[in-house]
Amino acid sequence: DVKVTQSSRYLVKRTGEKVFLECVQDMDHENMFWYRQDPGLGLRLIYFSYDVKMKEKGDIPEGYSVSREKKERFSLILESASTNQTSMYLCASRPGGIYEQYFGPGTRLTVT
Amino acid sequence: AQTVTQSQPEMSVQEAETVTLSCTYDTSESDYYLFWYKQPPSRQMILVIRQEAYKQQNATENRFSVNFQKAAKSFSLKISDSQLGDAAMYFCAYRRWGDMRFGAGTRLTVKP
Repeated sequence: DVKVTQSSRYLVKRTGEKVFLECVQDMDHENMFWYRQDPGLGLRLIYFSYDVKMKEKGDIPEGYSVSREKKERFSLILESASTNQTSMYLCASRPGGIYEQYFGPGTRLTVT
Repeated sequence: AQTVTQSQPEMSVQEAETVTLSCTYDTSESDYYLFWYKQPPSRQMILVIRQEAYKQQNATENRFSVNFQKAAKSFSLKISDSQLGDAAMYFCAYRRWGDMRFGAGTRLTVKP
């Protein structure tokens, strides 16, 4: 079974802090994604990566950055957390070709 | 840009009955893939069913089936013999080559 893990299920941070969200997949997938999930808005793509050290902006990249130094790990970075970044963050991975995405359990981030 | 619309924010069904969740999408492409994902209260998103646009036959997975109307750009999910464990958020998603586009979701309640 594909396994996608995220470093924390719940996280509380203060405004202005730098926040790291980690995602690891164990199936050698080329593609990895970070989504933000908010009620009534569904999942919105923040960033994705199709290879090590490669990254592409999604629909809402402002205020976020990413890092992919190893194939299995994709990190989301909030350079200076703000209250409007309080949300559920979902990581996903996918092999090359036409396949579905596999999701991690999510990280509920609260910025106070 | 492709958009996915789920017009039913909430639905409810009696246990053992049948329910249909609606999804429409907008695309100018002819080859693409459509998905229904389920997100139970534990938050791990899992794939329910997948449909390739080039296939005329509707996909089925046990109690789950789709009604794919390509010309109408409609992709509804039918859940037969609903069970308490079907209670979840359901997301419709579209994908061609790049990232996946999600609808806003439908929250399904199953009444005993």
